Amino acid sequence: DQQVKQNSPSLSVQEGRISILNCDYTNSMFDYFLWYKKYPAEGPTFLISISSIKDKNEDGRFTVFLNKSAKHLSLHIVPSQPGDSAVYFCAASVGGGATNKLIFGTGTLLAVQP
Amino acid sequence: SQTIHQWPATLVQPVGSPLSLECTVEGTSNPNLYWYRQAAGRGLQLLFYSVGIGQISSEVPQNLSASRPQDRQFILSSKKLLLSDSGFYLCAWSSGVGANVLTFGAGSRLTVL
Repeated sequence: DQQVKQNSPSLSVQEGRISILNCDYTNSMFDYFLWYKKYPAEGPTFLISISSIKDKNEDGRFTVFLNKSAKHLSLHIVPSQPGDSAVYFCAASVGGGATNKLIFGTGTLLAVQP
Repeated sequence: SQTIHQWPATLVQPVGSPLSLECTVEGTSNPNLYWYRQAAGRGLQLLFYSVGIGQISSEVPQNLSASRPQDRQFILSSKKLLLSDSGFYLCAWSSGVGANVLTFGAGSRLTVL
């Protein structure tokens, strides 16, 4: 059962334009949502997170929006840069203490064209 | 500052051979520790996590096992590798609080032939 879904395996945008990466989830008990960026043959690096009690969080060029009623979140990158080209993973945090873990989506490959 | 080390970086093993991947964390105490796997063209699958020494939770039934012999050491093992065990293995740690942000190691590429 895929609790976190990224239905777009890839996305291509022009440099300077907006990149919008989408993620859907099924478990209403998730308390935080996170976005990670991953380059080939490297570990993922954390980008930004949002609490389930908020609907927006912004950090520089990155903004995450959460729509709890639709169980949907998105990552906006503005403006997009060629260095943003990577795989982006959406993740959801569930539990606390003894069961604290992140569940990841399957990732979206973003290609930013110069 | 906290750092996470994972080794070996690459490994080529024959089917049926044993496996040991090691992960250590520095600069923190009592971290939550995790093993994930990224198979070719797939997402990040949680294999094991641990919230303390000797405490292991398994997420996916398989022929892999994990151990945490020390507070900041996490080991992924197999007695007999299968072809399907090939993939990119990632160790991660977190404080276990708030958003539970995981910090990942550089990964270990395992190829089973």
